[in-house]
Amino acid sequence: AQRVTQPEKLLSVFKGAPVELKCNYSYSGSPELFWYVQYSRQRLQLLLRHISRESIKGFTADLNKGETSFHLKKPFAQEEDSAMYYCALKNNDMRFGAGTRLTVKP
Amino acid sequence: GAVVSQHPSRVICKSGTSVKIECRSLDFQATTMFWYRQFPKKSLMLMATSNEGSKATYEQGVEKDKFLINHASLTLSTLTVTSAHPEDSSFYICSARILELSTDTQYFGPGTRLTVL
Repeated sequence: AQRVTQPEKLLSVFKGAPVELKCNYSYSGSPELFWYVQYSRQRLQLLLRHISRESIKGFTADLNKGETSFHLKKPFAQEEDSAMYYCALKNNDMRFGAGTRLTVKP
Repeated sequence: GAVVSQHPSRVICKSGTSVKIECRSLDFQATTMFWYRQFPKKSLMLMATSNEGSKATYEQGVEKDKFLINHASLTLSTLTVTSAHPEDSSFYICSARILELSTDTQYFGPGTRLTVL
């Protein structure tokens, strides 16, 4: 069965500090993983996907099959990064983790 | 980017009534739409996958007779909560899927907050 685990419900860092949002998955096949972000009072939107190997808004995420992880990282957090972040795994449908609320303090 | 709308954005109804929520893809055709439910401070839970022109596929534990899904066209899917009860109060979110070349992307609607009194 596919499952996505985000162990931290809340994460708080100061502006300019590095941030890492953890995501672990379980899936028997080759996973396709995503990070979605939901800013306050806005809809859920795609942040990045592992197959693109892109950096969006300074965020990157590397798929580590050995550790079955897809952690989201940013070297210098900004206040506008404060949001709810969801890790998701796609098969035919999308399975979401419980989400991590990131707060970046000034 | 692609836009998905939901209507209404918020609805309050009495227990026992039925409520219909619409999900539209505004500038693209979506053969597949998904319906999610989000509980307070919790993640999105997939309720069902809606395919145009065919019956929806429901996730385990989701009552198909209670949550009726119709995907009559490539741009519209509806979720009807029948005989709503207070425990059905939640935030319902739809997404529409685009398959372009080798890219498979879901775009989310803004959600509908249902409150059943």
